[in-house]
Amino acid sequence: AQSVTQPDIHITVSEGASLELRCNYSYGATPYLFWYVQSPGQGLQLLLKYFSGDTLVQGIKGFEAEFKRSQSSFNLRKPSVHWSDAAEYFCAVDTGYSTLTFGKGTMLLVSP
Amino acid sequence: NAGVTQTPKFQVLKTGQSMTLQCAQDMNHEYMSWYRQDPGMGLRLIHYSVGAGITDQGEVPNGYNVSRSTTEDFPLRLLSAAPSQTSVYFCASSLAGTSGGGSYEQYFGPGTRLTVT
Repeated sequence: AQSVTQPDIHITVSEGASLELRCNYSYGATPYLFWYVQSPGQGLQLLLKYFSGDTLVQGIKGFEAEFKRSQSSFNLRKPSVHWSDAAEYFCAVDTGYSTLTFGKGTMLLVSP
Repeated sequence: NAGVTQTPKFQVLKTGQSMTLQCAQDMNHEYMSWYRQDPGMGLRLIHYSVGAGITDQGEVPNGYNVSRSTTEDFPLRLLSAAPSQTSVYFCASSLAGTSGGGSYEQYFGPGTRLTVT
């Protein structure tokens, strides 16, 4: 069965420091992968997506993610975190008919 | 375009009551789906639809019914609410995937926060 694992429930990063959020997936076919962000009490916003081609994907708000098939990973990165990046981040894999299987999320805290 | 709209934003029900969560989209998307979000669980798929008249179950369908009579609307029904259905519910829609595989971006609604006492 398809699954998505986000190993870190919480991560604290200092403002201005770099960020990497981990995501591992299990899916039999070529995966279509997504990262979403959710601020408290808000809906989901798509940061970036990978369908095929270049394994380094650029997204909004300065985020990027790298697809590594050999490691079944799709880690999210940002070179310099801003206080406004504090939110919960979800990795997801398309499991057919545009339905998504989500990871359990990683809460990002940004310290001054 | 209004995108994906959900009503109500908040709802409190008593155990055993029934209600319908509304979801509508004005983007002519074929695919629509319902998710529930619980703390520490991420989002889990309840039901989905690939077009008018066609629905299927997701990961957590028990206690929920859906129908899709039009392309625009995809209501979610709770026939007899239980405290375990306290959650935030999100509706999403997207264009159908291409024949070569892949999927288009899912557009999510703002969510409905449901409390069952």
